[in-house]
Amino acid sequence: DGGITQSPKYLFRKEGQNVTLSCEQNLNHDAMYWYRQDPGQGLRLIYYSQIVNDFQKGDIAEGYSVSREKKESFPLTVTSAQKNPTAFYLCASLRGPGEKLFFGSGTQLSVL
Amino acid sequence: AQKVTQAQTEISVVEKEDVTLDCVYETRDTTYYLFWYKQPPSGELVFLIRRNSFDEQNEISGRYSWNFQKSTSSFNFTITASQVVDSAVYFCALDSGYALNFGKGTSLLVTP
Repeated sequence: DGGITQSPKYLFRKEGQNVTLSCEQNLNHDAMYWYRQDPGQGLRLIYYSQIVNDFQKGDIAEGYSVSREKKESFPLTVTSAQKNPTAFYLCASLRGPGEKLFFGSGTQLSVL
Repeated sequence: AQKVTQAQTEISVVEKEDVTLDCVYETRDTTYYLFWYKQPPSGELVFLIRRNSFDEQNEISGRYSWNFQKSTSSFNFTITASQVVDSAVYFCALDSGYALNFGKGTSLLVTP
């Protein structure tokens, strides 16, 4: 079955450490997205990529980085510059404009 | 600017009651898409409906119905005869042209 796989489900970050969240899709979608969810804040866009080797900052990109070397993969790195990284991170993909977003099951990141 | 407002933060109802979740949006686009997603306790977002700006017909799917009114920029969601399994966070979203812009969500608790 086609879908989006996020790993790990839970991740812990130490002070000053970079961590990478994985997102893989086999839906053959061009566009992929990373959202951050905090309690009561809804989903906020971190980065998005509409095509391989290209990506744009969303509303809250500071302290994060991404790459899009393959159509199927869109990993998110939470850098040490992100001072408040504890949140639920959701990866999504989109078939085309106006279509629905397909979401992964999310990664809960916590700080040790 | 694109904006989605879900004024109801939390709603609590008793099973079998009807409940309406409000969604008000702002956009300058003449063509746009609106969405509703459900997020159960497991965390994964489940797509419920997509509506384009040219289709103002109300839609019904089982116990779910949606009322889209361009005149008031609203896209409200009603659950008839609520059930405990309806307990979740519900998000309204607006297609901004490159990504979905989400409201902060309404947490619905249905008690037996």
